[in-house]
Amino acid sequence: AQSVTQPDIHITVSEGASLELRCNYSYGATPYLFWYVQSPGQGLQLLLKYFSGDTLVQGIKGFEAEFKRSQSSFNLRKPSVHWSDAAEYFCAVGRYGNKLVFGAGTILRVKS
Amino acid sequence: DAGVIQSPRHEVTEMGQEVTLRCKPISGHNSLFWYRQTMMRGLELLIYFNNNVPIDDSGMPEDRFSAKMPNASFSTLKIQPSEPRDSAVYFCASSIPPGQGPQVNYGYTFGSGTRLTVV
Repeated sequence: AQSVTQPDIHITVSEGASLELRCNYSYGATPYLFWYVQSPGQGLQLLLKYFSGDTLVQGIKGFEAEFKRSQSSFNLRKPSVHWSDAAEYFCAVGRYGNKLVFGAGTILRVKS
Repeated sequence: DAGVIQSPRHEVTEMGQEVTLRCKPISGHNSLFWYRQTMMRGLELLIYFNNNVPIDDSGMPEDRFSAKMPNASFSTLKIQPSEPRDSAVYFCASSIPPGQGPQVNYGYTFGSGTRLTVV
């Protein structure tokens, strides 16, 4: 069965510190991988996606993610967090033509 | 493009009333998805359409929920009768059709959601 696990429900980091949000997936084939961000009262916005090729992908707002096939992981990173990054982050997996499966989300809090 | 447009943004209704949520997908996106988001259950896929045809409605909680997509530019999600436990944020998302267009464009675009409160 296809599934996405985001092990951390909440993460708190200090402004200016680095960030890594974890995502592990279970899928029959190498899936397409996505990270979305949801600010309070807003819809989900696409941060970045991976289809193939270079396993390190760059996204908007200074985020990047690395696909590691051996670990079935697609962790999201940012070198220096800003207070405006406080939001909920969702990892999603799927294949072209199939519906995406979303993780439960990780809530990021940024302390000043 | 204006993105995925949902209306209304907020809806407060009394238990037992009919509620209709609306969605206009991005032009050219022929896959449309309805999600419900709550604190307890997170993001749940209710139903999705490809080319206006419902493909998977296994997430629709019960017969009180129905969804239609009469044309490529409009979809509705109806709850009749509404109950307090239906209170949630309902999102619509659209995507390019499966197997069509460049794969690099694949991915959902979400609307801003409708916050439904049933009292």
